[in-house]
Amino acid sequence: KNEVEQSPQNLTAQEGEFITINCSYSVGISALHWLQQHPGGGIVSLFMLSSGKKKHGRLIATINIQEKHSSLHITASHPRDSAVYICAVRDTGNQFYFGTGTSLTVIP
Amino acid sequence: NAGVTQTPKFRILKIGQSMTLQCAQDMNHNYMYWYRQDPGMGLKLIYYSVGAGITDKGEVPNGYNVSRSTTEDFPLRLELAAPSQTSVYFCASRETGETFFGQGTRLTVV
Repeated sequence: KNEVEQSPQNLTAQEGEFITINCSYSVGISALHWLQQHPGGGIVSLFMLSSGKKKHGRLIATINIQEKHSSLHITASHPRDSAVYICAVRDTGNQFYFGTGTSLTVIP
Repeated sequence: NAGVTQTPKFRILKIGQSMTLQCAQDMNHNYMYWYRQDPGMGLKLIYYSVGAGITDKGEVPNGYNVSRSTTEDFPLRLELAAPSQTSVYFCASRETGETFFGQGTRLTVV
């Protein structure tokens, strides 16, 4: 069993739709990260969360520590949001565990 | 700041050859990591380092070695390349906040 489970694995949306990607984890964590992997392969960090909610532009990330669950929301989705979104948790021993990613395609 | 720089971007190796994947960061981060990413799998930790002179094994260390003689550099060495090491390799670094990733090295062993 993976320490980090993401859903859905694949997601296709029409431009403008509201998108939610979910992440559940089973280990005690120091922080949770949402990463974006571009079609070219590069990985960038979108958010680092240890509690509550963060917003950056059209992206919102929330975390519920008690339920060991996080969501990444994209409002007014755009084709340039097409990428793989990866949930990663850093445990209390500073090791990272990664979900397998959610492949998002936004169609114009 | 250049962030995390990985070289090379692409490499093809023959079975049994050796090579070193280079990783350098200019942010004075203590924590550095090497991951491999295989299709349909999450990133798997190969080795990590919490500071110069200190390294430790991750989840999938077999077939790899690392060194950390300086804060900036964290090279990953493959001594006897095997087809199972065909993968995309990512180096990352962090301090207390965000994690920064290199652009990745796509390695094929034939």
